[in-house]
Amino acid sequence: KQEVTQIPAALSVPEGENLVLNCSFTDSAIYNLQWFRQDPGKGLTSLLLIQSSQREQTSGRLNASLDKSSGRSTLYIAASQPGDSATYLCAANDYKLSFGAGTTVTVRA
Amino acid sequence: DTAVSQTPKYLVTQMGNDKSIKCEQNLGHDTMYWYKQDSKKFLKIMFSYNNKELIINETVPNRFSPKSPDKAHLNLHINSLELGDSAVYFCASSQESTRGVALGYTQYFGPGTRLTVL
Repeated sequence: KQEVTQIPAALSVPEGENLVLNCSFTDSAIYNLQWFRQDPGKGLTSLLLIQSSQREQTSGRLNASLDKSSGRSTLYIAASQPGDSATYLCAANDYKLSFGAGTTVTVRA
Repeated sequence: DTAVSQTPKYLVTQMGNDKSIKCEQNLGHDTMYWYKQDSKKFLKIMFSYNNKELIINETVPNRFSPKSPDKAHLNLHINSLELGDSAVYFCASSQESTRGVALGYTQYFGPGTRLTVL
């Protein structure tokens, strides 16, 4: 059974600081790993999808890396802004998406 | 244009009642999903449907019955509601699938339905 863990559970940083969010998964036989953002009371928005054959994906200020053999992924957010405040979820896809509990990020203006 | 929509957004009901949540996607996707997010914020898949066929059923009580009248709709009917059913239910869809799993494409989520059972 796939177990996904996200550390830290919460993070508070001043505006402009870089963010590092960690995700680990127990079964490395995945098709891909996905990062989502969830705002309070809203659904999930896809940020990045990394295929199992890839090492990283980038979109704007976001960069996600994947080390499948060690069961780890990291989401980097450069030059954080207050609008980045949200909960970030990672999900490992073996034949279904298994989600971590998320990291709640607060960016202070 | 809303890609994945759900109705209702909020649902408050008494224990023992039967209720339904509707989901529609206008993305032309073949696969649709239901997820449950509990009070601890863990998201877990319940069902997936591919072209109206049930593919994944994750040990969900048979009080929960998904129905897919067509590719664009996936409804969730819940019989004999229990206190533990209180949660946020999310519908999602994806473009391509094998065995009902989006191997190469991301999933698009609806805004969620917050179900409260009293």
